[in-house]
Amino acid sequence: KQEVTQIPAALSVPEGENLVLNCSFTDSAIYNLQWFRQDPGKGLTSLLLIQSSQREQTSGRLNASLDKSSGRSTLYIAASQPGDSATYLCAVRGTSGTYKYIFGTGTRLKVLA
Amino acid sequence: DAGVIQSPRHEVTEMGQEVTLRCKPISGHDYLFWYRQTMMRGLELLIYFNNNVPIDDSGMPEDRFSAKMPNASFSTLKIQPSEPRDSAVYFCASGIGGTGGGTGYTFGSGTRLTVV
Repeated sequence: KQEVTQIPAALSVPEGENLVLNCSFTDSAIYNLQWFRQDPGKGLTSLLLIQSSQREQTSGRLNASLDKSSGRSTLYIAASQPGDSATYLCAVRGTSGTYKYIFGTGTRLKVLA
Repeated sequence: DAGVIQSPRHEVTEMGQEVTLRCKPISGHDYLFWYRQTMMRGLELLIYFNNNVPIDDSGMPEDRFSAKMPNASFSTLKIQPSEPRDSAVYFCASGIGGTGGGTGYTFGSGTRLTVV
């Protein structure tokens, strides 16, 4: 059974810092991995999708990497801003023939001005 | 595209009443998902459909919950009778499957349900 873990659960950093959020999963047989952002009281916004054949994806100040063999993904945020404050979730889709994403519990990020 | 549209945004109901949540997926998406989010349990997949057919409902908590997808542009999640422990945010998401990994999910804004 796939399990997805995100560490740390919460993170507080000063504005301008580069930071890394971690996601680990127990079953390396995945189709892809998706990173989401969730603002308080809001829905989930997709940030990046990495297919299993890819090693990384970039969008603006965000870079997500994937190491399937070790069951790890990282989300790198460059030059953090207060507007980046949100909860970040990773989700993994397995190759079992079903289209299901298993979500981690998220990292709650606060960027201080 | 307007994205995934859910209604209502907020619902407050009394215990024992029937509640119906609605979702309109993105046109062309062949998968639709219903999730529930609580502080204690995070995001839980309740059920998902492929081409309007329920594929996996193993996450539906009990018989009080039912979901339908009568056509490609509409789905409902019904709770009857509702209980206070059903209070949560219910999300609908849609996506394109595909053999190459698909497009990932697009989520709606959610329905915040409070059962008193």
